[in-house]
Amino acid sequence: GQQLNQSPQSMFIQEGEDVSMNCTSSSIFNTWLWYKQEPGEGPVLLIALYKAGELTSNGRLTAQFGITRKDSFLNISASIPSDVGIYFCAGQPPSGTYKYIFGTGTRLKVLA
Amino acid sequence: DGGITQSPKYLFRKEGQNVTLSCEQNLNHDAMYWYRQDPGQGLRLIYYSQIVNDFQKGDIAEGYSVSREKKESFPLTVTSAQKNPTAFYLCASRFSGMPSGNTIYFGEGSWLTVV
Repeated sequence: GQQLNQSPQSMFIQEGEDVSMNCTSSSIFNTWLWYKQEPGEGPVLLIALYKAGELTSNGRLTAQFGITRKDSFLNISASIPSDVGIYFCAGQPPSGTYKYIFGTGTRLKVLA
Repeated sequence: DGGITQSPKYLFRKEGQNVTLSCEQNLNHDAMYWYRQDPGQGLRLIYYSQIVNDFQKGDIAEGYSVSREKKESFPLTVTSAQKNPTAFYLCASRFSGMPSGNTIYFGEGSWLTVV
């Protein structure tokens, strides 16, 4: 089935550093969603994007909907230890479907 | 509190047994979903329902069944036909509308282990 390529798969960073991750697809999407998931818990929605070019922030998090509608990125500024977790993206294909496509996640570890 | 409640959090299944995972939402969302999560893989869609009394198979529906008799509830049954059911199961529901657009929210998940 359709897949999203998410990178990097994992990263170790020092506390205070900025983090960037992205998702790319060969197909266009109408919606991009970014989630954080901690071990044994359900994903929590961080940012939702609905228009190409849209740039949205949520505290130290910023995400953008790529102009081509085939990619999105998430930045975390000034990382802190509680940012540890798995971040994954989800894209909704063009209207007419209720399905979402999910990336495989970026595992973030923050070194204090 | 508004949200999506899954139960039980942990469930053990014996070989040949059917088990049912509960999912209840009080968000007044029309659409609900069940996903399966395995280590290192993206979420895979099992079933989804757009409205009451209607549901559609997802990508990995074999060995699973669902019902949608009420808007708030979307239980998932893992049948004995599912040969590898050990996984983390996530229920979700979808908010549709302006200005927020189409966004899905997840429950806290249920762990199913075959013993």
